[in-house]
Parts: sequence; structure tokens; C-alpha cells
Amino acid sequence: AQRVTQPEKLLSVFKGAPVELKCNYSYSGSPELFWYVQYSRQRLQLLLRHISRESIKGFTADLNKGETSFHLKKPFAQEEDSAMYYCALAPNTDKLIFGTGTRLQVFP
Amino acid sequence: SQTIHQWPATLVQPVGSPLSLECTVEGTSNPNLYWYRQAAGRGLQLLFYSVGIGQISSEVPQNLSASRPQDRQFILSSKKLLLSDSGFYLCAWSLGGTAPYEQYFGPGTRLTVT
Repeated sequence: AQRVTQPEKLLSVFKGAPVELKCNYSYSGSPELFWYVQYSRQRLQLLLRHISRESIKGFTADLNKGETSFHLKKPFAQEEDSAMYYCALAPNTDKLIFGTGTRLQVFP
Repeated sequence: SQTIHQWPATLVQPVGSPLSLECTVEGTSNPNLYWYRQAAGRGLQLLFYSVGIGQISSEVPQNLSASRPQDRQFILSSKKLLLSDSGFYLCAWSLGGTAPYEQYFGPGTRLTVT
């Protein structure tokens, strides 16, 4: 079955601390994976995609096929990173399967 | 530039009443269109998606239905609402074809069934 699992509902850190938001997937083919973010009172939007191998707002995510994971990382959290983060899998070109999301709280 | 609209922004409806939520996209043609429900603890659940006029794929069997009467219009409906239909409904669009992965979301509709 195609599934995205985000085991943490809430992750709280202090400003300047490292952040790792966990994402594991279940998919038999070569996955296309993404991270979406929703800041307070803003629309859900794409943060980054694994095929781009890019760093957005200091965040990176590496696809680990052996562990079927796509964890989102940032070395030094900022207060403005506080948001809801969703990991997503594209099983085909028509749709995305989202995880249940992790709320990141960054305290000053 | 492309924009996506949803209305109404909030809605309170009694159990057993009908529902119609509308989503429209401007500035693009033949988009893929999506309806999601966002619920606390359950994340973002894909309800329906459409890759063209009249083409609707249902992901979750339930009390809801979707229609796409025009290229850039997507409607979510119910004949009789249940309490469990309460939630936050999001519409989204993406480019079809080979690069559909980035989805652009609307502002959402907060539905409360009483």
C-alpha cells in the first residue's frame, strides 16, 4: 500500500537548535517525494522536492531508499519556521498522498 | 498569474442539509483539480481529483461527491450532510502532464455541521 507516515504530531525546539522532521514512506516504485508547509494564516505551499536536491529557507531533505525515509532537516531553527509540515508522495503524475503532518514550534 | 478561489470561507449547516462548495482557478487551462479535507490528527486527506472536464476520481468512499462542469471549476457536494463531514476543505490545482507535482492550494472552507 502507498502510505506516508509522519510519526510526530508536534515537535518543539528552541531557537538555534537543530530540527529533524521525520517522514517514512511505503511505495514499491521509485518515489517522488515532497515537503509542504503551512504557516499560520497562510495557504499550504510547496517547500521542497527531493528531485531538486535544493535547500529552501535552510531546510534540506535527503531521500534514503534503504530506510524508506525523507526526513526534513535544518541545522539552526528560527522562530519563523514554526508551522505545520506535511510530507507527500506522488505515486503517479496525477496526485499526491500526504502524511498526517507535524507541527513545529520554535520557542525564543 | 494563476489564482485559485474557494467559497464560502466558512459554513455552518445542520445535519441532513445539502452542501455545495465551489472552487475556481484563473490564469491557466486544463489544470488538474483536487479536493482535500484537513482534519486535526488525520492530516490532509485526498477526497477527489480531476484531470479533465467530467473526469472525477474518488479516493475515499463517503457521503460526498464532486463535479467539474467547466475546465476551471470544481464543486464538492453532498445531498445530506453528516456530523462527520465537519472539517476544513481545501481545493488545489496543478499543471497536468509531466510536471504536475506542485499543487497550489486555495484558502479553504471551514464547514461545521450541527
